[in-house]
Amino acid sequence: AQSVTQLDSQVPVFEEAPVELRCNYSSSVSVYLFWYVQYPNQGLQLLLKYLSGSTLVESINGFEAEFNKSQTSFHLRKPSVHISDTAEYFCAVSDSNAGGTSYGKLTFGQGTILTVHP
Amino acid sequence: AAGVIQSPRHLIKEKRETATLKCYPIPRHDTVYWYQQGPGQDPQFLISFYEKMQSDKGSIPDRFSAQQFSDYHSELNMSSLELGDSALYFCASSPDTSGDTQYFGPGTRLTVL
Repeated sequence: AQSVTQLDSQVPVFEEAPVELRCNYSSSVSVYLFWYVQYPNQGLQLLLKYLSGSTLVESINGFEAEFNKSQTSFHLRKPSVHISDTAEYFCAVSDSNAGGTSYGKLTFGQGTILTVHP
Repeated sequence: AAGVIQSPRHLIKEKRETATLKCYPIPRHDTVYWYQQGPGQDPQFLISFYEKMQSDKGSIPDRFSAQQFSDYHSELNMSSLELGDSALYFCASSPDTSGDTQYFGPGTRLTVL
């Protein structure tokens, strides 16, 4: 079984300040890691993912996340946030055993609401 | 690029009624996942299909059933609706079951009165 813990339910921050959204996971098997963003009344959009290779992954809009296997973490960071980054962010994992019994289902954390103030 | 289509986008039902939600995956995607997101909750996996067969099952109530058709679209049937079924229902599709990529639809918001 897998579980995901997002340590902060809400993170308020001022525009242009740096931000870190924390995510820890627990799994008995190796995993893929994801961050999804959900704007109000909208669906889930993939922000970035870690599958293998370099532990630092980046998105096209300035977010980055680093996979830390020893600490089982996948924290999301942005050096300077914008008002438009206000949204809910979900960390998620799936079993990386391709074709295994989990068939790719995602397990989500509880979400972190990022609010960027002017 | 084509995305996952869900219909209807909004649905209002009374208690004990039945609802059917539809999902049309991205072309050439043969794997479909259903998730339920209650108010203020994280999405919870319900069920998935691969090549028209159920591949995995999560916390889906017995009142719910789902299937994937020959054109790979999927339907989630919900009977004897309860107030607690009010939620956002997401469908996601993937080109395989590797788990490395899922594309989510916009969701269907079900309200049970």
